[in-house]
Amino acid sequence: GQNIDQPTEMTATEGAIVQINCTYQTSGFNGLFWYQQHAGEAPTFLSYNVLDGLEEKGRFSSFLSRSKGYSYLLLKELQMKDSASYLCAVRDRNQGGKLIFGQGTELSVKP
Amino acid sequence: NAGVTQTPKFRILKIGQSMTLQCTQDMNHNYMYWYRQDPGMGLKLIYYSVGAGITDKGEVPNGYNVSRSTTEDFPLRLELAAPSQTSVYFCASSKKTSGGVHSGANVLTFGAGSRLTVL
Repeated sequence: GQNIDQPTEMTATEGAIVQINCTYQTSGFNGLFWYQQHAGEAPTFLSYNVLDGLEEKGRFSSFLSRSKGYSYLLLKELQMKDSASYLCAVRDRNQGGKLIFGQGTELSVKP
Repeated sequence: NAGVTQTPKFRILKIGQSMTLQCTQDMNHNYMYWYRQDPGMGLKLIYYSVGAGITDKGEVPNGYNVSRSTTEDFPLRLELAAPSQTSVYFCASSKKTSGGVHSGANVLTFGAGSRLTVL
């Protein structure tokens, strides 16, 4: 099976940098995804890592270490609109390629 | 493009009633999924399908049924509604990438969600 852990909630200040961590255990790792979900809305895709290293997309970056079963999402120059839940999800080739989600991290950005 | 369309957006059911949540996508995606999301619990996979005529169980399939007669449609059926099925349901789809079922960055596109309350 799979086990995905991320902090339940975090608080940060507008303009700052925040790092949201995700650890996972899986037998057939085949990619890690980050999704953003605003309250009352559907999740939207942020980033994808399948190889070790950092993927940068504007203010958002995602890092993966497969040997450590670890990823983080880095948000720079925080804006109030970044207040949302951030979902880490892992694809496992031994689970039919299904995408399994962690519980999500609720980020609150304060002025 | 409409993307992934779910209906209804809201529904209240009595215990023991049945209903179907409809999901349709117009992106010609092979893969379709149903998730439920409870407060603070993330998304749990109920059922998924890798193509028309093929369905498989996810993490929490009990109390639900699905069918996939066409590429576009993936309805979720609740036969005997129970209070434990009160949740927000999301349908999603993704395309099959080259390299087979198990490879590739199959990014999920989600519907807007259906909020179901069972009283």
